[in-house]
Amino acid sequence: GQNIDQPTEMTATEGAIVQINCTYQTSGFNGLFWYQQHAGEAPTFLSYNVLDGLEEKGRFSSFLSRSKGYSYLLLKELQMKDSASYLCAVRDDADKLIFGTGTRLQVFP
Amino acid sequence: EPEVTQTPSHQVTQMGQEVILRCVPISNHLYFYWYRQILGQKVEFLVSFYNNEISEKSEIFDDQFSVERPDGSNFTLKIRSTKLEDSAMYFCASRAGTGGNQPQHFGDGTRLSIL
Repeated sequence: GQNIDQPTEMTATEGAIVQINCTYQTSGFNGLFWYQQHAGEAPTFLSYNVLDGLEEKGRFSSFLSRSKGYSYLLLKELQMKDSASYLCAVRDDADKLIFGTGTRLQVFP
Repeated sequence: EPEVTQTPSHQVTQMGQEVILRCVPISNHLYFYWYRQILGQKVEFLVSFYNNEISEKSEIFDDQFSVERPDGSNFTLKIRSTKLEDSAMYFCASRAGTGGNQPQHFGDGTRLSIL
Protein backbone atom coordinates (compact mmCIF):
# COMPACT_ATOMS: atom_id res chain seq x y z
CA GLY A 1 0.00 0.00 0.00
CA GLN A 2 0.90 3.67 -0.12
CA ASN A 3 1.45 5.49 3.13
CA ILE A 4 2.98 8.87 3.88
CA ASP A 5 3.05 10.12 7.45
CA GLN A 6 3.63 13.63 8.73
CA PRO A 7 2.78 15.34 12.00
CA THR A 8 -0.57 17.06 11.81
CA GLU A 9 0.40 20.34 13.43
CA MET A 10 3.49 22.16 14.64
CA THR A 11 4.10 25.53 16.21
CA ALA A 12 7.23 27.64 16.28
CA THR A 13 8.41 31.15 17.04
CA GLU A 14 9.44 33.80 14.54
CA GLY A 15 13.19 33.60 13.90
CA ALA A 16 13.46 30.00 15.05
CA ILE A 17 14.23 26.79 13.13
CA VAL A 18 11.66 24.05 12.60
CA GLN A 19 12.02 20.54 11.19
CA ILE A 20 9.03 18.79 9.64
CA ASN A 21 9.44 15.04 9.30
CA CYS A 22 7.94 12.72 6.73
CA THR A 23 8.08 8.94 6.53
CA TYR A 24 6.87 7.01 3.55
CA GLN A 25 6.10 3.52 2.34
CA THR A 26 5.23 3.45 -1.33
CA SER A 27 5.25 0.80 -4.02
CA GLY A 28 7.56 2.90 -6.20
CA PHE A 29 9.84 5.87 -5.70
CA ASN A 30 10.93 8.49 -8.19
CA GLY A 31 11.64 11.38 -5.92
CA LEU A 32 10.20 13.18 -2.94
CA PHE A 33 8.75 16.68 -3.15
CA TRP A 34 7.86 19.26 -0.54
CA TYR A 35 5.11 21.75 -1.26
CA GLN A 36 3.82 24.71 0.72
CA GLN A 37 0.08 25.32 0.77
CA HIS A 38 -1.60 28.36 2.26
CA ALA A 39 -5.24 27.88 3.17
CA GLY A 40 -7.47 27.87 0.10
CA GLU A 41 -4.55 28.17 -2.29
CA ALA A 42 -2.55 25.93 -4.60
CA PRO A 43 0.38 23.83 -3.41
CA THR A 44 3.61 25.64 -4.29
CA PHE A 45 6.79 23.66 -5.02
CA LEU A 46 9.56 24.04 -2.43
CA SER A 47 12.10 21.25 -2.93
CA TYR A 48 12.92 17.92 -4.51
CA ASN A 49 15.11 15.02 -3.38
CA VAL A 50 15.81 11.82 -5.24
CA LEU A 51 19.26 10.94 -3.90
CA ASP A 52 20.17 10.58 -0.24
CA GLY A 53 21.37 13.75 1.38
CA LEU A 54 20.58 17.37 1.94
CA GLU A 55 19.35 19.89 -0.63
CA GLU A 56 19.59 23.52 0.43
CA LYS A 57 17.61 26.38 -1.03
CA GLY A 58 17.88 29.63 0.88
CA ARG A 59 16.00 29.35 4.18
CA PHE A 60 14.64 25.93 3.23
CA SER A 61 16.51 22.62 3.20
CA SER A 62 15.26 19.11 2.59
CA PHE A 63 16.85 15.80 3.49
CA LEU A 64 16.22 12.31 2.21
CA SER A 65 17.19 8.84 3.38
CA ARG A 66 15.83 6.29 0.92
CA SER A 67 16.90 3.30 3.00
CA LYS A 68 14.90 4.62 5.95
CA GLY A 69 11.97 5.94 3.92
CA TYR A 70 12.46 9.26 5.64
CA SER A 71 12.66 12.92 4.72
CA TYR A 72 12.54 16.21 6.53
CA LEU A 73 12.02 19.82 5.60
CA LEU A 74 14.04 22.34 7.59
CA LEU A 75 12.89 25.93 7.75
CA LYS A 76 15.31 28.48 9.18
CA GLU A 77 14.80 32.08 10.33
CA LEU A 78 11.07 31.56 10.45
CA GLN A 79 8.83 34.40 9.34
CA MET A 80 5.14 34.92 9.99
CA LYS A 81 4.43 34.30 6.32
CA ASP A 82 5.78 30.74 6.71
CA SER A 83 2.56 29.85 8.53
CA ALA A 84 1.05 27.34 6.12
CA SER A 85 0.63 23.63 5.51
CA TYR A 86 3.66 21.72 4.29
CA LEU A 87 2.95 18.73 2.11
CA CYS A 88 5.28 15.80 1.63
CA ALA A 89 4.68 13.96 -1.66
CA VAL A 90 6.31 10.94 -3.28
CA ARG A 91 6.34 10.50 -7.04
CA ASP A 92 5.70 6.87 -7.81
CA ASP A 93 6.63 4.79 -10.86
CA ALA A 94 3.52 5.99 -12.68
CA ASP A 95 4.55 9.66 -12.34
CA LYS A 96 1.74 10.54 -9.97
CA LEU A 97 2.27 12.36 -6.69
CA ILE A 98 1.13 10.63 -3.51
CA PHE A 99 0.58 13.21 -0.81
CA GLY A 100 0.70 13.04 2.93
CA THR A 101 -1.99 14.78 4.92
CA GLY A 102 0.25 17.81 5.39
CA THR A 103 1.68 19.50 8.45
CA ARG A 104 0.05 22.75 9.51
CA LEU A 105 2.74 25.08 10.81
CA GLN A 106 1.83 28.09 12.90
CA VAL A 107 4.51 30.71 13.48
CA PHE A 108 4.03 33.00 16.46
CA PRO A 109 5.70 36.35 17.06
CA GLU B 1 6.78 33.52 -13.98
CA PRO B 2 4.46 31.33 -16.07
CA GLU B 3 1.66 29.70 -14.15
CA VAL B 4 -1.17 27.21 -14.46
CA THR B 5 -4.54 28.97 -14.64
CA GLN B 6 -7.88 27.44 -13.76
CA THR B 7 -11.44 28.61 -14.31
CA PRO B 8 -13.83 29.09 -12.70
CA SER B 9 -12.43 29.68 -9.22
CA HIS B 10 -15.71 28.53 -7.70
CA GLN B 11 -18.48 26.44 -9.26
CA VAL B 12 -21.81 25.71 -7.60
CA THR B 13 -23.90 23.00 -9.25
CA GLN B 14 -27.00 20.99 -8.50
CA MET B 15 -26.51 17.28 -7.88
CA GLY B 16 -26.92 15.30 -11.07
CA GLN B 17 -25.70 18.08 -13.33
CA GLU B 18 -22.56 17.98 -15.43
CA VAL B 19 -19.62 20.32 -14.81
CA ILE B 20 -16.55 21.15 -16.84
CA LEU B 21 -13.50 22.46 -15.06
CA ARG B 22 -10.99 24.26 -17.23
CA CYS B 23 -7.23 24.57 -17.03
CA VAL B 24 -4.56 26.24 -19.09
CA PRO B 25 -1.25 24.52 -18.30
CA ILE B 26 2.11 26.25 -18.61
CA SER B 27 2.74 26.61 -22.33
CA ASN B 28 5.80 24.41 -22.88
CA HIS B 29 4.71 21.67 -20.49
CA LEU B 30 3.93 18.20 -21.78
CA TYR B 31 2.44 16.33 -18.80
CA PHE B 32 -0.91 17.27 -17.28
CA TYR B 33 -2.68 16.16 -14.14
CA TRP B 34 -5.85 16.58 -12.13
CA TYR B 35 -5.93 16.23 -8.35
CA ARG B 36 -8.66 16.90 -5.84
CA GLN B 37 -8.68 17.88 -2.19
CA ILE B 38 -11.77 17.35 -0.10
CA LEU B 39 -11.97 19.94 2.65
CA GLY B 40 -9.61 19.04 5.49
CA GLN B 41 -8.20 16.02 3.69
CA LYS B 42 -5.10 15.29 1.66
CA VAL B 43 -4.54 16.02 -1.99
CA GLU B 44 -5.53 12.97 -4.09
CA PHE B 45 -4.44 12.06 -7.59
CA LEU B 46 -7.17 11.67 -10.19
CA VAL B 47 -5.56 11.37 -13.61
CA SER B 48 -2.45 12.07 -15.66
CA PHE B 49 -2.38 12.89 -19.36
CA TYR B 50 0.42 12.85 -21.90
CA ASN B 51 0.58 12.85 -25.69
CA ASN B 52 -3.19 13.23 -25.95
CA GLU B 53 -4.07 10.23 -23.89
CA ILE B 54 -4.56 9.19 -20.28
CA SER B 55 -1.34 7.82 -18.78
CA GLU B 56 -2.67 6.80 -15.38
CA LYS B 57 -5.90 7.13 -13.44
CA SER B 58 -6.91 6.45 -9.87
CA GLU B 59 -9.82 4.45 -8.53
CA ILE B 60 -11.65 7.74 -8.02
CA PHE B 61 -11.52 8.46 -11.74
CA ASP B 62 -14.39 6.24 -12.83
CA ASP B 63 -16.78 6.51 -15.79
CA GLN B 64 -18.24 9.66 -14.30
CA PHE B 65 -15.03 11.52 -15.13
CA SER B 66 -13.33 12.36 -18.39
CA VAL B 67 -10.50 14.61 -19.53
CA GLU B 68 -9.83 16.31 -22.80
CA ARG B 69 -7.27 18.54 -24.43
CA PRO B 70 -9.51 20.11 -27.05
CA ASP B 71 -6.85 22.45 -28.44
CA GLY B 72 -3.20 23.32 -27.90
CA SER B 73 -3.75 25.18 -24.66
CA ASN B 74 -6.74 23.94 -22.66
CA PHE B 75 -7.04 20.84 -20.51
CA THR B 76 -10.50 20.07 -19.14
CA LEU B 77 -12.02 17.78 -16.53
CA LYS B 78 -15.65 16.83 -17.05
CA ILE B 79 -17.72 15.34 -14.26
CA ARG B 80 -21.04 13.86 -15.37
CA SER B 81 -24.01 13.42 -13.07
CA THR B 82 -22.33 15.05 -10.07
CA LYS B 83 -22.79 13.69 -6.56
CA LEU B 84 -22.61 15.43 -3.20
CA GLU B 85 -19.31 13.70 -2.48
CA ASP B 86 -17.75 15.33 -5.56
CA SER B 87 -17.61 18.58 -3.60
CA ALA B 88 -13.90 19.40 -3.31
CA MET B 89 -11.14 21.66 -4.55
CA TYR B 90 -9.91 20.44 -7.93
CA PHE B 91 -6.34 21.25 -8.87
CA CYS B 92 -4.82 21.07 -12.31
CA ALA B 93 -1.05 20.62 -12.57
CA SER B 94 1.49 20.47 -15.36
CA ARG B 95 5.10 19.45 -15.70
CA ALA B 96 7.82 20.08 -18.22
CA GLY B 97 8.92 17.07 -20.21
CA THR B 98 12.62 17.11 -19.55
CA GLY B 99 14.32 15.84 -16.42
CA GLY B 100 12.94 13.65 -13.66
CA ASN B 101 13.37 16.45 -11.15
CA GLN B 102 10.88 18.73 -12.86
CA PRO B 103 8.12 19.44 -10.34
CA GLN B 104 4.43 19.52 -11.04
CA HIS B 105 3.17 23.09 -10.93
CA PHE B 106 -0.33 23.55 -9.58
CA GLY B 107 -3.05 26.00 -10.48
CA ASP B 108 -5.06 27.87 -7.84
CA GLY B 109 -7.85 25.32 -8.10
CA THR B 110 -11.59 25.30 -8.68
CA ARG B 111 -13.75 24.94 -5.62
CA LEU B 112 -16.67 22.71 -6.66
CA SER B 113 -19.75 22.77 -4.46
CA ILE B 114 -22.52 20.28 -5.20
CA LEU B 115 -25.91 21.11 -3.72
